[in-house]
Amino acid sequence: DAKTTQPTSMDCAEGRAANLPCNHSTISGNEYVYWYRQIHSQGPQYIIHGLKNNETNEMASLIITEDRKSSTLILPHATLRDTAVYYCIVSPRGGRGGKLIFGQGTELSVKP
Amino acid sequence: NAGVTQTPKFQVLKTGQSMTLQCAQDMNHEYMSWYRQDPGMGLRLIHYSVGAGITDQGEVPNGYNVSRSTTEDFPLRLLSAAPSQTSVYFCASSPDGGGRTGELFFGEGSRLTVL
Repeated sequence: DAKTTQPTSMDCAEGRAANLPCNHSTISGNEYVYWYRQIHSQGPQYIIHGLKNNETNEMASLIITEDRKSSTLILPHATLRDTAVYYCIVSPRGGRGGKLIFGQGTELSVKP
Repeated sequence: NAGVTQTPKFQVLKTGQSMTLQCAQDMNHEYMSWYRQDPGMGLRLIHYSVGAGITDQGEVPNGYNVSRSTTEDFPLRLLSAAPSQTSVYFCASSPDGGGRTGELFFGEGSRLTVL
């Protein structure tokens, strides 16, 4: 599976958009980009995923560059409850039997 | 609908003891997996299963055994506990490994301390 690179930490003001970048320059054609987050040692929570088109759901938007070598997760109006570690993961369709490889993630701190 | 249930939530063991972490899901998911998370680290895959009777190793399988006799249950056994196995353990399930739906469902975690 392709490796991802994320900043270790980021800050965001409450009410502003949080833009979390992820580099995955070795992504292959059949690999999806997944985003999960983990709030204070709880089990990780799925946010969104995409292949090559931009995606949006009730939680976030995912912007994938045309060459698919990087992506950005956007939380449009960050709240204090969005403070968490955000993981960007690339994996083939099907996730190889529930097998997702988590990296270090980005620790997002939303501040009042 | 309980989702993914892990027991126990907390456990303290002495070095050399054995125990089993239980994981059960009631969503009829085919795929299940176990991860461990050490302080300040991301999750690392221990073992996973694509269906009853089928298991495979992940990144850090040493010291752990799994079996999958039913779709619902995926227990993780520590054969001889070591302090290095002090960690938080997460069980996850998915109807298809997260591909089409893009989602793994995680339990709340089991916090294990080995003295």
